[in-house]
Amino acid sequence: DIQMTQSPSSQSASVGDRVTITCRASQSISTYLNWYQLKPGKAPKLLIYAASRLQSGVPSRFSGSGSGTDFTLTINSLQPEDFATYYCQQSYNTWCTFGQGTKLEIK
Amino acid sequence: QIQLVQSGAEVKKPGASVKVSCKASGYTLTNHGISWVRQAPGQGLEWVGTISAYNVKTNSAQNFQGRVTMTADTSTSTAYMELRSLRSDDTAVYYCAREVYRAAIPLFDFWGQGILVTVSS
Repeated sequence: DIQMTQSPSSQSASVGDRVTITCRASQSISTYLNWYQLKPGKAPKLLIYAASRLQSGVPSRFSGSGSGTDFTLTINSLQPEDFATYYCQQSYNTWCTFGQGTKLEIK
Repeated sequence: QIQLVQSGAEVKKPGASVKVSCKASGYTLTNHGISWVRQAPGQGLEWVGTISAYNVKTNSAQNFQGRVTMTADTSTSTAYMELRSLRSDDTAVYYCAREVYRAAIPLFDFWGQGILVTVSS
C-alpha cells in the first residue's frame, strides 16, 4: 500500500491566518492526490482534486500544489467555517489510502 | 441535485453481519462507481472498497477481503455494503461516496452522511 503522511496532525490558528498542511506519499503518485474536509456530523467535502484543481463551489482561498511525493493544501484568510479536519487521499492505485488527518482548531 | 442518503445506525454483536444502504438521487447510480470509506472513533479515514461503474467489478482493501460484499440495485438506485464476521474494531461511521474521474484522476465528489455501526456484545 502507498502510505500517506500528513503534517501537522493538529494546528491552532486564528480567523484571517494563512495555513499550510503538507502530505507526503511513500512513493511517487504523480498528481493523483485529492483533499477533503470533514466536519462532525456532516458528509465529507471534496476541496481539491488532481493535486491543484479546485472543486466547483469551493472558495478560492483554498489551493493545492505538488506532484510526485510532496503536496500542500493552503488556506488563505481562514474563515470560521474552515475549522475542521482535512485529509489527503492518493488515488494512484485501486487501493486508495488517506493521510491520518489534520485537525484545524481555533486559537 | 445529487445526493447519497444512507440508512440508519446499526448495533450488532461480534460475529454478526451488517448490511448498510446508500440511495442515490440526481444521477444514474450505475454510471459511476460507489466507494465505501469508514472512520473508526478517533481515527482517520479508511477505504473499504469500491463497486465500479456498471457493476463490472468490485475491489476491496486487504483488511476486508472475504468479509465484504458490495452490490448495486439499479431498480432502486441503491448501493449496499455487507460486512460479515463483525469484530469490535469494525465499530465506525461508514460512508458511501460517488467515484468519478476528472482529469483522469479518480476522486469522491459526493458523499453520504454516514452510518454509525456499533459492534458490541
